[in-house]
Amino acid sequence: DQQVKQNSPSLSVQEGRISILNCDYTNSMFDYFLWYKKYPAEGPTFLISISSIKDKNEDGRFTVFLNKSAKHLSLHIVPSQPGDSAVYFCAASNTGNQFYFGTGTSLTVIP
Amino acid sequence: KAGVTQTPRYLIKTRGQQVTLSCSPISGHRSVSWYQQTPGQGLQFLFEYFSETQRNKGNFPGRFSGRQFSNSRSEMNVSTLELGDSALYLCASSLNSGALGYGYTFGSGTRLTVV
Repeated sequence: DQQVKQNSPSLSVQEGRISILNCDYTNSMFDYFLWYKKYPAEGPTFLISISSIKDKNEDGRFTVFLNKSAKHLSLHIVPSQPGDSAVYFCAASNTGNQFYFGTGTSLTVIP
Repeated sequence: KAGVTQTPRYLIKTRGQQVTLSCSPISGHRSVSWYQQTPGQGLQFLFEYFSETQRNKGNFPGRFSGRQFSNSRSEMNVSTLELGDSALYLCASSLNSGALGYGYTFGSGTRLTVV
């Protein structure tokens, strides 16, 4: 049972434009969400997080939005750069216990 | 500081064999979590060890087991390998158990292929 879903396996965006990666979850008890970025042959690295008391968190070019009523979060990257090309995983947990990860979205930023 | 080290990086085994994977966490980190990554399934949580005790366990069969040593190094064992066990196995270390996501540091993984 996939509690965290990323329905778009891949996304292509022109350099300089906005990348929007989406994630849906089913468990209303999740209260902490994060995004990881993964390059080939490397482990995932932490990108940005958001707790359920917020609806937006921003860090430089990266912004995460949380819509609790829709059980949906999204990651916006503006402007997109070729170095952002990677697989992005969203994850959710209930008070920092086991994290449930999505299946990932492969982002390609075209120069 | 040194990152999370997983050995070996690549492994090929035949069905029915057993395999042991190793993970050395960041110095000072006491929690080690294991994940299985397969195409289409994302990262699936296997288990977490903290201070040599299994704290959380995912929904995997008993063929998957692990342990943690007093120096926080962890091993994961899979017995009676099946073709479906072919995956990238990732280890993540954190200072404490139940750490928030930013406290996780992943290793580069062990790519297991079962033939």
